[in-house]
Order: sequence, then C-alpha cells, then structure tokens
Amino acid sequence: SAVISQKPSRDICQRGTSLTIQCQVDSQVTMMFWYRQQPGQSLTLIATANQGSEATYESGFVIDKFPISRPNLTFSTLTVSNLSPEDSSIYLCSVEGQGLRETQYFGPGTRLLVL
Amino acid sequence: DQQVKQNSPSLSVQEGRISILNCDYTNSMFDYFLWYKKYPAEGPTFLISISSIKDKNEDGRFTVFLNKSAKHLSLHIVPSQPGDSAVYFCAFIQGAQKLVFGQGTRLTINP
Repeated sequence: SAVISQKPSRDICQRGTSLTIQCQVDSQVTMMFWYRQQPGQSLTLIATANQGSEATYESGFVIDKFPISRPNLTFSTLTVSNLSPEDSSIYLCSVEGQGLRETQYFGPGTRLLVL
Repeated sequence: DQQVKQNSPSLSVQEGRISILNCDYTNSMFDYFLWYKKYPAEGPTFLISISSIKDKNEDGRFTVFLNKSAKHLSLHIVPSQPGDSAVYFCAFIQGAQKLVFGQGTRLTINP
C-alpha cells in the first residue's frame, strides 16, 4: 500500500483564519480524496481531487470553503477557510488502492481545533 | 439519510474469543464492502473487503460475511487479541470510488 503523510498533524487556529493541510504520497496516484471526521462522527467525503482537473465536491461542501489543489500525482492540499468552531475535526486524505482499486488507503489525519 | 448503520457503538470481548461486528445498509447499488480499523491519532487502516457477488471472504483471523437479502455485513475476528482493540468502520464503495462509512464500533478486547 502507498505511504501517505499529512502536515500538520494537528493545529489550533483562531476563528476567521484559514488552515492549509498538505498530503504527500510516496507513489503516483490518479485519485486522491479528502475526508472529514467530526467529533464522535463517521468519516464523510469532502471532495475527490484528480490531477489536472477541478476537484469534485460532495453535497454540502463548496469550493469557497474547502479549496483544493492537486498540482501533481503525488501531492494535494486542502484549505479550510474562514474557520469556525464547527470546523474542528480530523481531516484525512486518502488514495485509491494500487492493484486493489476497490480500496482506499488513508493518511494519519490532521486534527484541527478552532477556538 | 443514513445509508450505512453500525448499531452497536461499542463491544467488549474476552481475549481468545470471537468478536463479531455488524453493519446494515440500505443501498443495493454498492459494489464493494470494506472494513477499516482505526486507532486513536491514526488514519483508518484497511482490513478486508468483499465484492457484492460473494458472500464470504477470509484473511487470516478476519472473515467478512455478506448477506445481500438482509443487506447485512459482518466481520468476525477469531481469536480476538488485545491489539484488536480499536474502532471498526464498515464502508461501501459507491460510484467512482466514493467510500460511505458507518458510524463505527469501538471494540475492546479484555485480557
């Protein structure tokens, strides 16, 4: 499986600011995904990021709030903009399985607390 | 609407015994069904999957059962070990690689 790293691992941010989360994969992948896990909740897909095209957002998530970049096949960023306490969550990136396309492999997550 | 339900938020099992984790779904269009394990401060780790055309898949101590008529998925872990203590999520592939997760079940293995 791919090795996925995320930066930062955690952060505490003030209301109204933004946080950009980086996701780095050790191999080239076509599809990368961004998920959110709110406290006590399950994981919810925010958007799918393919290299060379605009990210595809799920219902309830918009580009202005969660802009995503995908400059190459090993890297993506997710920005959470205009932060509010409700954005306090764990944010995770994942990639499609290689050789086992019906799976996804996840990074360690970024724990965000908004004050 | 909740397409995936894990009705047991927690489960406690004696070491060496069988752990059975359950998951119910409503959408008949899912193609693949997966189980993930998650430790605190880590991302989910893929455990095992099953195609919608099968009813059982086994990998070492882990076996996944799919009952399509009942729309029910289960994960059996035998024998259970202390390192199995984690939160377990069932998940389903929908469409172009979209994963839909259940709410999770916290499994505790007691020595």
